[in-house]
Amino acid sequence: DSGVTQTPKHLITATGQRVTLRCSPRSGDLSVYWYQQSLDQGLQFLIQYYNGEERAKGNILERFSAQQFPDLHSELNLSSLELGDSALYFCASSVEGGETQYFGPGTRLTVL
Amino acid sequence: GDSVTQMEGPVTLSEEAFLTINCTYTATGYPSLFWYVQYPGEGLQLLLKATKADDKGSNKGFEATYRKETTSFHLEKGSVQVSDSAVYFCALTDNQAGTALIFGKGTTLSVSS
Repeated sequence: DSGVTQTPKHLITATGQRVTLRCSPRSGDLSVYWYQQSLDQGLQFLIQYYNGEERAKGNILERFSAQQFPDLHSELNLSSLELGDSALYFCASSVEGGETQYFGPGTRLTVL
Repeated sequence: GDSVTQMEGPVTLSEEAFLTINCTYTATGYPSLFWYVQYPGEGLQLLLKATKADDKGSNKGFEATYRKETTSFHLEKGSVQVSDSAVYFCALTDNQAGTALIFGKGTTLSVSS
């Protein structure tokens, strides 16, 4: 158990819908990262937050957004969903100044 | 940009065989290197890491040495077990704290008894 929690574990929805994925980092970790894992693209970095502020952006679509709240949990919002958004979405956290990221169990999103 | 290349899988071995999974990287700076493992139906777990040249990371019988001259970080284990069956990912971050991981495509290992 990494100490990073993600909810829900599974999510099934329809094209055009909007969903929210939630992540709670390990106690004491200030940075949260979101990654997408798909068969064709592999594991790709989406976005990073540090202590409530956006720090870095990767291959994140404009239809996707995220935020980190004062209690340091983070949410990833995916809107206008397409079939190709079906993937595993992982959250990871790290201590500021630390390089090691600890991953949550992931949320499997299926868009029908 | 920075990138990681792993050997294509799947790798199929018998129990107690020797394992090598090749990983090479391209980076402009001096990255930290990682191996993560993903067991079926689970998230990624950090297996081992190395933060500078010639460092050796090790854990659970797995080892990898950071080779700057060959830009490699090959994963090895002397005697694999059925329970090692998983997908293994090589990854890097540039050597600044708090940066995103760049992953290879992953190598599936299947060990039979």
